[in-house]
Amino acid sequence: YVLTQPPSVSVAPGQTARITCGGSNMGSKSVHWYQKKAGQAPVLVVYDDRDRPSGIPERFSGSNSGNTATLTISRVEGEDEADYYCQVWDSNIEQHVFGTGTKVTVL
Amino acid sequence: QVQLQESGPGLVKPSETLSLTCTVSGGSISSHFWSWIRQPPGKGLEWIGYVYYSGSTKYKSSLKSRVTISIDTSKNQFSLKLTSVTAADTAVYYCARDNYDILTGSQSWFDPWGQGTLVTVSS
Repeated sequence: YVLTQPPSVSVAPGQTARITCGGSNMGSKSVHWYQKKAGQAPVLVVYDDRDRPSGIPERFSGSNSGNTATLTISRVEGEDEADYYCQVWDSNIEQHVFGTGTKVTVL
Repeated sequence: QVQLQESGPGLVKPSETLSLTCTVSGGSISSHFWSWIRQPPGKGLEWIGYVYYSGSTKYKSSLKSRVTISIDTSKNQFSLKLTSVTAADTAVYYCARDNYDILTGSQSWFDPWGQGTLVTVSS
């Protein structure tokens, strides 16, 4: 099972970044998103398609429909510059699968 | 809150066995699933496998022949062994709690994570 993300997304401060995660029948799966900064452990920013862990800013939101899940970062700040990964549990093969990753650059 | 810490050799020779331990503090290792995940330099995240507190395991298909994940509930630790390593196994290795979604009856997200440990395979 393959999860495809755009390699990079560039966004100006204050604007909105949208990161897609494509896979077969994604809408039937629960999608989770991680922020990964260099030298740091990944941080869960959205789980179960659209829920936020405590401590994650409301600027982070998620959606999932059809074959694509989307992580949206509103009012982007410099600290949001990082790599972002989507992840699902594929119950057919009983494996966790990560997306290919997207590097978000804040201009 | 629950914290995880990886430990083990940072350098392993080719063809030898990589061994890492994850120590869980601030909570019990029981009643949870625990995973190992790695990130090779310049590449993405890769799930390796999980262990349940009961000792049952699930591994990534492509690594299954070389991976063993075990758990020691008395020490609040779980471990990873990867045999016959090559340079391709050079990566930062993370341990994480593998959360289980009761509603769907399946694995879900990873949280929290350890800080990660770099393992280099080189002679």
